[in-house]
Amino acid sequence: GAVVSQHPSRVICKSGTSVKIECRSLDFQATTMFWYRQFPKQSLMLMATSNEGSKATYEQGVEKDKFLINHASLTLSTLTVTSAHPEDSSFYICSASPLAGGPGEQYFGPGTRLTVT
Amino acid sequence: AQKITQTQPGMFVQEKEAVTLDCTYDTSDPSYGLFWYKQPSSGEMIFLIYQGSYDQQNATEGRYSLNFQKARKSANLVISASQLGDSAMYFCAMREGWGAQKLVFGQGTRLTINP
Repeated sequence: GAVVSQHPSRVICKSGTSVKIECRSLDFQATTMFWYRQFPKQSLMLMATSNEGSKATYEQGVEKDKFLINHASLTLSTLTVTSAHPEDSSFYICSASPLAGGPGEQYFGPGTRLTVT
Repeated sequence: AQKITQTQPGMFVQEKEAVTLDCTYDTSDPSYGLFWYKQPSSGEMIFLIYQGSYDQQNATEGRYSLNFQKARKSANLVISASQLGDSAMYFCAMREGWGAQKLVFGQGTRLTINP
């Protein structure tokens, strides 16, 4: 149980295009999903917290107009990188907190590697 | 100030030996939780062990145990009888505040198990 999927696992796009990444909780409902970014050999940095049916809460320094987050249902959140540039190339990981989970309980997706050329 | 500090960028250990990965944390909230995750080269984050601030005993999960020293604000991960498959990045993380969902991660330690 507690499986989170991400799609796509890898994506290469041209500079200036937009890319959408999906995060799904497959066997549980999640009121809260989180989006992280990880540069090579570095830690996970929280980008935003996404709550179903409401606007995402972005961490300081994260451009909300560039990283659009939609949490349309209790099992799906999407991250859209708009007008992507090479510096947006990174590993993006989502996680989901179960509806009846404990504090801090999160299940992680396998990640999406974005390369912007 | 760093909330979570992992001072060992890399560790090299012989197979079958025990290894301790260090983690210190900084919080003034009496309610918090500490997590350890393993990240192999494939990238997925694998939950290993959890310790709540009010837990009286150190957490254990199979070969993993957490050496929780509250006064020192440390939560070191101990892996007993290391295996080649334990080679990975290890991250310590903390949630602060009762009911908080957000996690803050340390910089990680790369563990390499030598045969």
